[in-house]
Amino acid sequence: QQQVKQSPQSLIVQKGGISIINCAYENTAFDYFPWYQQFPGKGPALLIAIRPDVSEKKEGRFTISFNKSAKQFSLHIMDSQPGDSATYFCAASEKAGANNLFFGTGTRLTVIP
Amino acid sequence: NAGVTQTPKFQVLKTGQSMTLQCAQDMNHNSMYWYRQDPGMGLRLIYYSASEGTTDKGEVPNGYNVSRLNKREFSLRLESAAPSQTSVYFCASSDRQGAREQYFGPGTRLTVT
Repeated sequence: QQQVKQSPQSLIVQKGGISIINCAYENTAFDYFPWYQQFPGKGPALLIAIRPDVSEKKEGRFTISFNKSAKQFSLHIMDSQPGDSATYFCAASEKAGANNLFFGTGTRLTVIP
Repeated sequence: NAGVTQTPKFQVLKTGQSMTLQCAQDMNHNSMYWYRQDPGMGLRLIYYSASEGTTDKGEVPNGYNVSRLNKREFSLRLESAAPSQTSVYFCASSDRQGAREQYFGPGTRLTVT
């Protein structure tokens, strides 16, 4: 059973547009929600992360929005660029047993010039 | 600083053969992890080692064994490979037990025929 549900599976966005990827979870013990970016042939790399005590975190063009009551969080990429084309994974972990990151199934983002 | 390195990059095995995937990190991290990545499944934790001398099962440990050889190295062994173990394997490390940011290696693409 997938602990973190991610959508959409793939996304095509024009250069300069906004890319939005959504994730949902059920486990209320989750207290850390990172997003990882993966380019073809490479390992995932941490992009941005949020804890549930804040509703939004912004780093450059990347923003995580977090809705604790709905148990949902999303990644927004503003002014999307062709270099942002990659697969994005959301993940979650709980404080107890935090060695286990539960990943979503991934979203392949393509930004068209 | 190489970060997390993995060998080999690619491997083809016949069903029933055995092999060991090697992983090393030079960041003096305490915790290390093995994941497998399958299309549509995201990344799933196979085994982890919270610190030198300890190992624990993750979400999908069946068919695998691990050895934390020292603080730097964490190997994954397939004793009798099966086609269901065809996957991309990633090793990761983090700087303390429960630390949230995990650093990933470049992966090993394994095909079992």
